[in-house]
Amino acid sequence: GENVEQHPSTLSVQEGDSAVIKCTYSDSASNYFPWYKQELGKRPQLIIDIRSNVGEKKDQRIAVTLNKTAKHFSLHITETQPEDSAVYFCAASHPYNQAGTALIFGKGTTLSVSS
Amino acid sequence: DGGITQSPKYLFRKEGQNVTLSCEQNLNHDAMYWYRQDPGQGLRLIYYSQIVNDFQKGDIAEGYSVSREKKESFPLTVTSAQKNPTAFYLCASSIDETGAPGANVLTFGAGSRLTVL
Repeated sequence: GENVEQHPSTLSVQEGDSAVIKCTYSDSASNYFPWYKQELGKRPQLIIDIRSNVGEKKDQRIAVTLNKTAKHFSLHITETQPEDSAVYFCAASHPYNQAGTALIFGKGTTLSVSS
Repeated sequence: DGGITQSPKYLFRKEGQNVTLSCEQNLNHDAMYWYRQDPGQGLRLIYYSQIVNDFQKGDIAEGYSVSREKKESFPLTVTSAQKNPTAFYLCASSIDETGAPGANVLTFGAGSRLTVL
């Protein structure tokens, strides 16, 4: 089945620095790669996603890149702010027994932004 | 509250008891999912359902059961066969039309925290 590896598990940066989180996946059939942010005590929220026909996508301070050949994708946050502190999860779509797809998540990265 | 409601928010269970977690959505989504979240483990898929009266096992289905009798509802039962049930459980739903805008984008409920005493 699909296996999604996420690194690093924790990341500490100074306010204004950039943060990069990387994920790899194993199933070449995966074609959808979202990133979710989970603040303490809250539900995960989608922050950006990319589909396999696109190599890069940007939304203000957040960008995602995808390399399908290498089976890896990354989240880039520029000009980090204290409110970016949260747990970030990457995910990859995975077809299950030809009965639709479901998202397989990485183990998460705890990002801490200090001011 | 976001279109998907989970209850109860907190639940305590004695060993050997079955418990059922409720998940209801009013988003008209076809697909619904149950994930389990443990510290440092990410979100692991328990069960998912693409349509009414059909559901599929995820990676950690052992000790759990589900039903999908209505499009809006996808309850999860944690049975006594689940050896380590203490965890945070998240329900989610999504549009299931391949290629449709928003397809596969998950909307999560607020979660249910189960503690076995």
